[in-house]
Amino acid sequence: DTAVSQTPKYLVTQMGNDKSIKCEQNLGHDTMYWYKQDSKKFLKIMFSYNNKELIINETVPNRFSPKSPDKAHLNLHINSLELGDSAVYFCASSRVGTVNTEAFFGQGTRLTVV
Amino acid sequence: DQQVKQNSPSLSVQEGRISILNCDYTNSMFDYFLWYKKYPAEGPTFLISISSIKDKNEDGRFTVFLNKSAKHLSLHIVPSQPGDSAVYFCAARNTGKLIFGQGTTLQVKP
Repeated sequence: DTAVSQTPKYLVTQMGNDKSIKCEQNLGHDTMYWYKQDSKKFLKIMFSYNNKELIINETVPNRFSPKSPDKAHLNLHINSLELGDSAVYFCASSRVGTVNTEAFFGQGTRLTVV
Repeated sequence: DQQVKQNSPSLSVQEGRISILNCDYTNSMFDYFLWYKKYPAEGPTFLISISSIKDKNEDGRFTVFLNKSAKHLSLHIVPSQPGDSAVYFCAARNTGKLIFGQGTTLQVKP
């Protein structure tokens, strides 16, 4: 069973479109994240939700809107896609409040905007 | 402003030898450090971690060393195996979020 799963794995779309990436975790974690891996390979946090509440919101254009319908799901909706949004997006989850707070990652969604 | 840096983009070692991956950080408020391993087309997977109150943590072939005065972290893999070939990310925790370096690609040659 996949612990953190994201769909789709690949997404090619045109500039100006709106798209969503879905993420689900079955680990019983209470915190979920979205990370972006840019062309320089850095993994940068975008958002973090704890029990469906937004707790971290980095400097991300407001075209990006996360939605957490329950603590097992964190979806990412992107409006008016731009060329610079092309990247690999990773969803992750963790259990907050324990010493060992490593995050578990999904396999990534490679978004290509053309 | 990158708070976590891995200055070597790649490293190549012979099977059986030691691999040493390095990581430098700038923020003295980091309280926890982690190493992740990533294969192509997969997400990063947790490898080993260390609290800021320790200077060494060992798990099988993997050892992480922390030098707080130098703000330097290293991962030692010994002996290296071809299956260790992957991208290794260093990460540091501050106020509940992980800050990642840009990764080092390790190639272990048979």
